[in-house]
Amino acid sequence: KNEVEQSPQNLTAQEGEFITINCSYSVGISALHWLQQHPGGGIVSLFMLSSGKKKHGRLIATINIQEKHSSLHITASHPRDSAVYICAIRQGATNKLIFGTGTLLAVQP
Amino acid sequence: KAGVTQTPRYLIKTRGQQVTLSCSPISGHRSVSWYQQTPGQGLQFLFEYFSETQRNKGNFPGRFSGRQFSNSRSEMNVSTLELGDSALYLCASSLTTDTQYFGPGTRLTVL
Repeated sequence: KNEVEQSPQNLTAQEGEFITINCSYSVGISALHWLQQHPGGGIVSLFMLSSGKKKHGRLIATINIQEKHSSLHITASHPRDSAVYICAIRQGATNKLIFGTGTLLAVQP
Repeated sequence: KAGVTQTPRYLIKTRGQQVTLSCSPISGHRSVSWYQQTPGQGLQFLFEYFSETQRNKGNFPGRFSGRQFSNSRSEMNVSTLELGDSALYLCASSLTTDTQYFGPGTRLTVL
């Protein structure tokens, strides 16, 4: 069983919809990262969380440490949000990341 | 500030050869991590260097090695290339243990 599970694997939404991507993990962590990868490979770090909630523009990330669960929300989705969203966990005091398999999001106009 | 740069961007090698990939972190960043991305295995951690010392290593064979120089630039080397080593190799830099900034990657094809 993977240590990091994401759902859904694929998601198609209409422009303007509210989107939620979920991430569950099975081990203790020091932080959880949400990453965005566009076609062509470039990865952008969206959030790093160790507790609570963070917001940046239309993106919101939450984490529940007790339930070992995190969610990434996109409000008022736009076609430019189309990308793969990846959840990754970090343990201990190093930068080693363990990745989920990613969620492929397509936002249609 | 310039971002993380990786060279070369694309590389084609044949089985049995060796390859060296380079990563220049953001100025001031002391940690460089390397990752391999393949369609079958997804993203996997290779190793992390911090202030020229390997701080952590993933589950890859000894053919995969790396090093970090005093200016924080890092190289990774893969010897005796196999077809399965074809992948996108990404490096990421960070100040200490925090947000990682990824480079554009080197796409390695092994024929």
